Amino acid sequence: EIVLTQSPGTLSLSPGDRATLSCRASQYVMDTRLAWYQQTPGQPPRLLIYGTSTRATGIPDRFSGSGSGTDFTLTISRLEPEDFAVYYCQQYGPSPLYTFGQGTKLEIK
Amino acid sequence: QVQLQESGPGLVKPSGTLSLTCAVSGYSIGNGYYWSWVRQSPGKGLEWIGEIVHIGKTNFNPSLRSRVTISMDTSKNQFSLSLSSVTAADTAFYYCTRNNNYSLDRWGQGTLVTVSS
Repeated sequence: EIVLTQSPGTLSLSPGDRATLSCRASQYVMDTRLAWYQQTPGQPPRLLIYGTSTRATGIPDRFSGSGSGTDFTLTISRLEPEDFAVYYCQQYGPSPLYTFGQGTKLEIK
Repeated sequence: QVQLQESGPGLVKPSGTLSLTCAVSGYSIGNGYYWSWVRQSPGKGLEWIGEIVHIGKTNFNPSLRSRVTISMDTSKNQFSLSLSSVTAADTAFYYCTRNNNYSLDRWGQGTLVTVSS
C-alpha cells in the first residue's frame, strides 16, 4: 500500500498569502495518478487537481499542482477567504486502488 | 450535470449489515465510468471502499474485501453498497463517487451511518 504523508498538519496564513502544501508518498507515484481535494465543513471533498497539475472543471487558476516521483505540492497563489479548508492528496495505484493523505488544515491566522 | 445522492438507514446495529444506495442523475451509469464508495471517519480519515463498472467488474479495498458487496442496477441508474458484520469502527460518513482520470470527480453529499445498539 502506498502511504501518503501530508505536511504541515495545520497551516496558519492570512488572506492574500501564498500557501504551499506538501504530499509525500512512500513509493513512486505516476504523475497521472496524483490528485488534490478541498473539503469545507459539512461538505464532501471537491476535486481540485488531477494528474498532478491539471485543474478540475471550474477550479480557479490560483490553485496549482506540481511534483513528481514521491514529492508533490499544492500551491494556492493568493488566498481567498473561501480557501480556508482541509486539503487532501490522493493517489491511484497498487491495491488499494485509492489512498488518501491525512489532510492539511489551512486556517486563518 | 452529474449528481449523486446516497440513501439508506442512518443507524445499524452491531453485527448487522449496512446497506446504502447511490442514485445518479445527469449521466447513465450503463455508459461507462467506474463508480466508488468512500467513507470518512474522524479516526481513519478518507478510506476508499471499492468500485464497480457497468459490466459488473468490481475492485475492493483488501482491508474490507471480505465484508463488502457492491452492485449496480442500470435500469434504476443506481449502485449499492453492502457492508456486513459491522462494528462501531464502521461508523462514518459514506460517500458515493464517480471515478475519472484516476481521481474522484463527482461526490454525493454523504450520509452518516452510526453503528450502535
